[in-house]
Amino acid sequence: NAGVTQTPKFQVLKTGQSMTLQCAQDMNHEYMSWYRQDPGMGLRLIHYSVGAGITDQGEVPNGYNVSRSTTEDFPLRLLSAAPSQTSVYFCASSYTGTVLYEQYFGPGTRLTVT
Amino acid sequence: GIQVEQSPPDLILQEGANSTLRCNFSDSVNNLQWFHQNPWGQLINLFYIPSGTKQNGRLSATTVATERYSLLYISSSQTTDSGVYFCAVERRGEGETSGSRLTFGEGTQLTVNP
Repeated sequence: NAGVTQTPKFQVLKTGQSMTLQCAQDMNHEYMSWYRQDPGMGLRLIHYSVGAGITDQGEVPNGYNVSRSTTEDFPLRLLSAAPSQTSVYFCASSYTGTVLYEQYFGPGTRLTVT
Repeated sequence: GIQVEQSPPDLILQEGANSTLRCNFSDSVNNLQWFHQNPWGQLINLFYIPSGTKQNGRLSATTVATERYSLLYISSSQTTDSGVYFCAVERRGEGETSGSRLTFGEGTQLTVNP
């Protein structure tokens, strides 16, 4: 199993550009989520999905879009990049039932917006 | 939303020392998880512990859900224990189709010196 993979590892964007951060998992997990981590802070939830075709907003969704067309993939789209979106982005996945199970994280994408 | 507070924010230990990290949360939760973020940024799940006590080698965790706190114990610390330790609490979203969400604390930065 590759686990949770994220691409790219690093990205530099100019203000106003758009891009898609890719996330894939091969563990057949229903639940997938995106977080951002800013220096000295914990992770904040951007969007999450409880299964293919179902997504919901987290704590900081503005400026980001997601879709979940397959169980394996959960891409995060930045519509018009802003310097405030400079951060490290983590994707995670897990099984879910009445509660979430152990979260598996990808290695992260370090994004800089100039 | 729910507040998650971790203490201490920073901790410096000599190799071999023991330590206790604390996580307080402001409301009832469905579950709680502890994570370690190593110096290279990778996040690893340590414990999935809604209540009670669990042990894994030199690490153990206790969650007292009724009193809204969890403790992570590290015994005989090693330099490889260095990094940031996060707790994250799980609550269900408010909408009918909302799933569970994790809210992270800001972490405890642990440095273990040889």
